[in-house]
Amino acid sequence: AQSVTQLGSHVSVSEGALVLLRCNYSSSVPPYLFWYVQYPNQGLQLLLKYTSAATLVKGINGFEAEFKKSETSFHLTKPSAHMSDAAEYFCAAASGGSNYKLTFGKGTLLTVNP
Amino acid sequence: NAGVTQTPKFRVLKTGQSMTLLCAQDMNHEYMYWYRQDPGMGLRLIHYSVGEGTTAKGEVPDGYNVSRLKKQNFLLGLESAAPSQTSVYFCASLGRGAFFGQGTRLTVV
Repeated sequence: AQSVTQLGSHVSVSEGALVLLRCNYSSSVPPYLFWYVQYPNQGLQLLLKYTSAATLVKGINGFEAEFKKSETSFHLTKPSAHMSDAAEYFCAAASGGSNYKLTFGKGTLLTVNP
Repeated sequence: NAGVTQTPKFRVLKTGQSMTLLCAQDMNHEYMYWYRQDPGMGLRLIHYSVGEGTTAKGEVPDGYNVSRLKKQNFLLGLESAAPSQTSVYFCASLGRGAFFGQGTRLTVV
């Protein structure tokens, strides 16, 4: 069964520092991959998605992620953190074929310190 | 606006009561999902559908039923609510991206 693992339930960075949020998936077939952001008491907003085109995917708010098949990873990065980036981030994978099950990781809470 | 609409947004139920949550999407997506979100647990898949008239169980299906009679609607039912079903429920549909509703905050007392 497909699973998504986010390494680190809580990541803390200083404003202006690099943001790196880790995501690994387990799937025999490269899936569709997504990163979402959730601000307190709000729904989920799509940051970016990988759908088997370019392996480096650019998203909104300066975020990007790189699909690495050999490492089964899809880590999210941003060169310089802003205070407004503080939120919870979720990685998700949807396997292909006839069974598009969309599975989420447990989330990573990002704190940005001034 | 196009997207996914969930109703209601808030609800308080007494133990044993029943209710139905409605998810509607206007993007002609085949795939729809119901999740629950609890602190520290991420989003756990309850049930999903890969097309009109089809449903399948996710990770945590017990205590819930679903129906997809029309392509645009995916209903989640609680036949006899329990306090353990207190949660925030999200619906999603999948096309070129996965789009989420704003959530339903359900409290069972």
